[in-house]
Amino acid sequence: NAGVTQTPKFRILKIGQSMTLQCTQDMNHNYMYWYRQDPGMGLKLIYYSVGAGITDKGEVPNGYNVSRSTTEDFPLRLELAAPSQTSVYFCASSLGPPGANVLTFGAGSRLTVL
Amino acid sequence: GNSVTQMEGPVTLSEEAFLTINCTYTATGYPSLFWYVQYPGEGLQLLLKATKADDKGSNKGFEATYRKETTSFHLEKGSVQVSDSAVYFCAPGEGSYIPTFGRGTSLIVHP
Repeated sequence: NAGVTQTPKFRILKIGQSMTLQCTQDMNHNYMYWYRQDPGMGLKLIYYSVGAGITDKGEVPNGYNVSRSTTEDFPLRLELAAPSQTSVYFCASSLGPPGANVLTFGAGSRLTVL
Repeated sequence: GNSVTQMEGPVTLSEEAFLTINCTYTATGYPSLFWYVQYPGEGLQLLLKATKADDKGSNKGFEATYRKETTSFHLEKGSVQVSDSAVYFCAPGEGSYIPTFGRGTSLIVHP
C-alpha cells in the first residue's frame, strides 16, 4: 500500500516555465488536497477536491490549476512559474470529510524557481 | 472557523526530559482533535487523535487528552528522545472544514 505518491521530488524551473506536479493515492480516498509550505512557515491550502470532477480553491490558488478526472489522481499545474512559487508542495488525501478523517500526506515536492 | 493557539518554539530539551506542548482551540461546534508531526524533510503524519471529551489519544509515548471545558489538547511525553525532534501541529477537525496548519511547534532534543 503506497499511500500518497508525489512526483517529482525535486525540480528547478526557470521563470515563465510551466510544469505539473503529480499526485496519486491508492487508498480510494474521496478527498484530496494541495498545500504549499514556505521555509519555516506553516502549510497553506492551494486547492482541494471532494471527489472526481469536483475541485475548489483554497487560500492561495493564484498561479495554479488542478483537475480531478479520476479518484486516484490530483495533479497541480503551475503556469508561468514565478520565484514566489518556490516552495515545498504537499499533496494529501482523506477518506471522507476532513473534520473527522485523518489526512494522509505525501512526502512532498520541492520546487525552486530561478 | 476553527483555529488553534500553540507556541511556535523552538522548544529545546535534553534527552529524557518531560515534554508539554500546549494547544488551545476555538471551534463552532464539537470538533475532533488531531496532533500531526513533521519530521525533517518529510510530510505531515498523524501522531494521535481524540474524537470526544475526555478521550485520550496516545502513540509512540505521546499522549493528549481532549479537554472540552478548557478547549485544550495539550501534547505530553514523559521522556523525549533525539528522534522526537520534529515540528508538531495541533489541528481541530469539524465537518467539512479543511484544516489549516500554522507554523506548528518546533521541538529540538539534544543528546
